Amino acid sequence: GESVGLHLPTLSVQEGDNSIINCAYSNSASDYFIWYKQESGKGPQFIIDIRSNMDKRQGQRVTVLLNKTVKHLSLQIAATQPGDSAVYFCAERRLAGGTYKYIFGTGTRLKVLA
Amino acid sequence: AAGVIQSPRHLIKEKRETATLKCYPIPRHDTVYWYQQGPGQDPQFLISFYEKMQSDKGSIPDRFSAQQFSDYHSELNMSSLELGDSALYFCASSRDRVNSPLHFGNGTRLTVT
Repeated sequence: GESVGLHLPTLSVQEGDNSIINCAYSNSASDYFIWYKQESGKGPQFIIDIRSNMDKRQGQRVTVLLNKTVKHLSLQIAATQPGDSAVYFCAERRLAGGTYKYIFGTGTRLKVLA
Repeated sequence: AAGVIQSPRHLIKEKRETATLKCYPIPRHDTVYWYQQGPGQDPQFLISFYEKMQSDKGSIPDRFSAQQFSDYHSELNMSSLELGDSALYFCASSRDRVNSPLHFGNGTRLTVT
C-alpha cells in the first residue's frame, strides 16, 4: 500500500554535529509535507513544512529538502543539541475523496550524544 | 497561543468497559483528526471531521465512534474495551483547505487492564 517511511529507525549524533533524517514517500499526488518532533509523553510537535511546489525551506536551525523526482524528504538539523533528542515523523498530505488525509511514516529516534 | 486540549490525560479502564475521550481544537480550526499510537509506533489515523461532519474514516474499530459538536469539540467513544486498545490517543486540528499543519494535543493515555 501507499506509505511514508523512513530509512533509519535510530540516529545517534554527536552534540554540535548536523543531523539528517530521511523520509521516502510513495504518492506523487501528495501536495504538502510536514515534519514533527515527538518527545516522550507528548503529542507530535510541528517543526517545519513544505509545499510540493518548493524544494527547500529553512527555519531556525532546521531545513527541509524535498526531491519530488525520487519522492524523498529530509530534515536537516544544524548544530544538534541535547534538546533535539526525540522521535521525528514525516507526514504527507493528499486529497482523497474530497478531504485531506495525513499519512505518517515510521518515526526515527534521534539520540544526541554529549 | 491556544493549543489543542485533550482530556483526560490518563485513563485506566477494565476490559469490556467504555471510555470517552474529549478534544477541544484550536479556535477557528474547522477540522479534527483522531489518531491512535501504540508503543514505538507511528500515529494511525482513526477518523476525521470537517465542519461537524465525518470527513474520513481510517482504521477505527466498529466498537469506536466519534462526533464533532456545534462548538467544534470532538469526542471519541470507545466501547467493549480490549487490552489491545491500550495506547496513546491523539487529537489534532487544522484549518481545512489551507496549507497549515495538523496541531496535536498531548494525548490521552488509555490503559485497559
